[in-house]
Amino acid sequence: KAGVTQTPRYLIKTRGQQVTLSCSPISGHRSVSWYQQTPGQGLQFLFEYFSETQRNKGNFPGRFSGRQFSNSRSEMNVSTLELGDSALYLCASTRGAGEETQYFGPGTRLLVL
Amino acid sequence: GENVEQHPSTLSVQEGDSAVIKCTYSDSASNYFPWYKQELGKRPQLIIDIRSNVGEKKDQRIAVTLNKTAKHFSLHITETQPEDSAVYFCAAKWGANNLFFGTGTRLTVIP
Repeated sequence: KAGVTQTPRYLIKTRGQQVTLSCSPISGHRSVSWYQQTPGQGLQFLFEYFSETQRNKGNFPGRFSGRQFSNSRSEMNVSTLELGDSALYLCASTRGAGEETQYFGPGTRLLVL
Repeated sequence: GENVEQHPSTLSVQEGDSAVIKCTYSDSASNYFPWYKQELGKRPQLIIDIRSNVGEKKDQRIAVTLNKTAKHFSLHITETQPEDSAVYFCAAKWGANNLFFGTGTRLTVIP
């Protein structure tokens, strides 16, 4: 079974731009969670989507948004990029129906200049 | 919401020695506690997890213990090897809530 995939793997943007990241979960998984990882900050939870609905949300500004499609693929968007948004963005999938084990994708490394 | 604290932030051990990483959580409703290992440049990978109806779980050289009364759980790695060097994250959740992660422990195993 294919694992969680994320595209693109690397991205360079400038301040003020917007970016869209994509995550394809493991086949049959209906929940996708997004995390921001920066040195010293660990894994900061952004939001979780389950069956196309946002189920949980972390403490990030409204510039960070996401959505999930009917095939469970998910996208996250960051508008008006700031230098501090430079990070590794990880997504993780679970079956969602009470299944707790999260499987992570390889991440998208975003650099904002 | 849940708050997970993890200690120590860095840990160095000699090859063959044991390593222990401890986490505390704040929400007594939490009932699922996974541990993830993240090697440099790679994705976090689940190495072991425990649920609140179990006090200890072992998988070869790795074990996790849970004390629900004190609201803490620990990762134990015995007979450490250089390939155990990585960042380890603990986490906690309950129900349909999201996972709350600790800030990570960088383990270095010195050959």
